[in-house]
Amino acid sequence: AQSVTQLDSQVPVFEEAPVELRCNYSSSVSVYLFWYVQYPNQGLQLLLKYLSGSTLVKGINGFEAEFNKSQTSFHLRKPSVHISDTAEYFCAVSETFNTNAGKSTFGDGTTLTVKP
Amino acid sequence: ETGVTQSPTHLIKTRGQQVTLRCSSQSGHNTVSWYQQALGQGPQFIFQYYREEENGRGNFPPRFSGLQFPNYSSELNVNALELDDSALYLCASSLYGGSFMNTEAFFGQGTRLTVV
Repeated sequence: AQSVTQLDSQVPVFEEAPVELRCNYSSSVSVYLFWYVQYPNQGLQLLLKYLSGSTLVKGINGFEAEFNKSQTSFHLRKPSVHISDTAEYFCAVSETFNTNAGKSTFGDGTTLTVKP
Repeated sequence: ETGVTQSPTHLIKTRGQQVTLRCSSQSGHNTVSWYQQALGQGPQFIFQYYREEENGRGNFPPRFSGLQFPNYSSELNVNALELDDSALYLCASSLYGGSFMNTEAFFGQGTRLTVV
């Protein structure tokens, strides 16, 4: 079984400032890692994913994340945020053994609010 | 925007009633997963359908059931609705099996169910 902990439920930040959204996971097996974004009244959109290889993963909209196996973390970062980045962000994991992204375990989300 | 469509977008039901939610998967995908997202929480995996069979289930009671049709569309049925069933229900479409690495799930916009 896996679990995901998003360490900050809310992150307020000013426009053009850098931001980091923190995610820790726990699993007895190897996992793939994902970050999704959810805008109000919409479904989830994949920002980026870590499958293997380089631990620094780049995604859409200028976001990137770093996989740290020893600390079981997958923190999401953006060097300069925009008002349009205001949304809910979810970290998720799925087992590598079954290679099935449709069966993912999600964290409870981090609300990113970008202020002018 | 993904090719995953869900209907209806909003629904109000009375406690004890039954409800059916529908999902059309993205073209070329053979797997549909259903998630329940309560207010302020991350999505919780309900179950997944692959080749018209249930392919894994989360911690949900049997009154949550589903179907997948030959065209890979799917239904989620919930019997004897309870107030706590009020949530956003998300459908995710993916490609699974054989040589395919199922490393990405595409989400629909969800159905907002309110039980009164």
